[in-house]
Amino acid sequence: AAGVIQSPRHLIKEKRETATLKCYPIPRHDTVYWYQQGPGQDPQFLISFYEKMQSDKGSIPDRFSAQQFSDYHSELNMSSLELGDSALYFCASSRGRPAYEQYFGPGTRLTVT
Amino acid sequence: AQSVAQPEDQVNVAEGNPLTVKCTYSVSGNPYLFWYVQYPNRGLQFLLKYITGDNLVKGSYGFEAEFNKSQTSFHLKKPSALVSDSALYFCAVRDGGSSNTGKLIFGQGTTLQVKP
Repeated sequence: AAGVIQSPRHLIKEKRETATLKCYPIPRHDTVYWYQQGPGQDPQFLISFYEKMQSDKGSIPDRFSAQQFSDYHSELNMSSLELGDSALYFCASSRGRPAYEQYFGPGTRLTVT
Repeated sequence: AQSVAQPEDQVNVAEGNPLTVKCTYSVSGNPYLFWYVQYPNRGLQFLLKYITGDNLVKGSYGFEAEFNKSQTSFHLKKPSALVSDSALYFCAVRDGGSSNTGKLIFGQGTTLQVKP
């Protein structure tokens, strides 16, 4: 079965650089969620989109932005990167409202040096 | 505010023995509860969920969980542990209200170590 695809899987950036993370949800899934998992921590919700509109916002820094495109894929744009942004970034997708289980991608490991 | 607590950082169990990973939750409305497993450098894999209905929920890989409303708990269980079950387990909750957008609140995670 098709799963959530994230690219790239690994990314190394320097401080103050920008990064773009991509997420391709499971086909026919209409909602995308972004989570950030710091080392040894639980995943923290960043932002979500339903039918290409932002549906909820969590602890996402102002330096980050995201959107969901017409084909339902989503991109997380991160600017002025800081060392503390080093983390595993997960995308998850779900279908319908109310949404039940979310299916997670493998994550993008971002390292900021 | 929604919250999830996993009181044990690590659970150790011998292979073949039953295992329990504890989870308690707090939500304002009806809870939707989930368990996910994470292997090293991997994504989160869905194990099981409680939405409504029977309090005992069966999931993947022989895992099950019992919803207890009075104790606000959703403990993960397995009758006979395998070494391959060793991983990091997350309990998660979302508010079941219709206006909720579905974001998950995760517990701190419990490392399960199954020894041969």
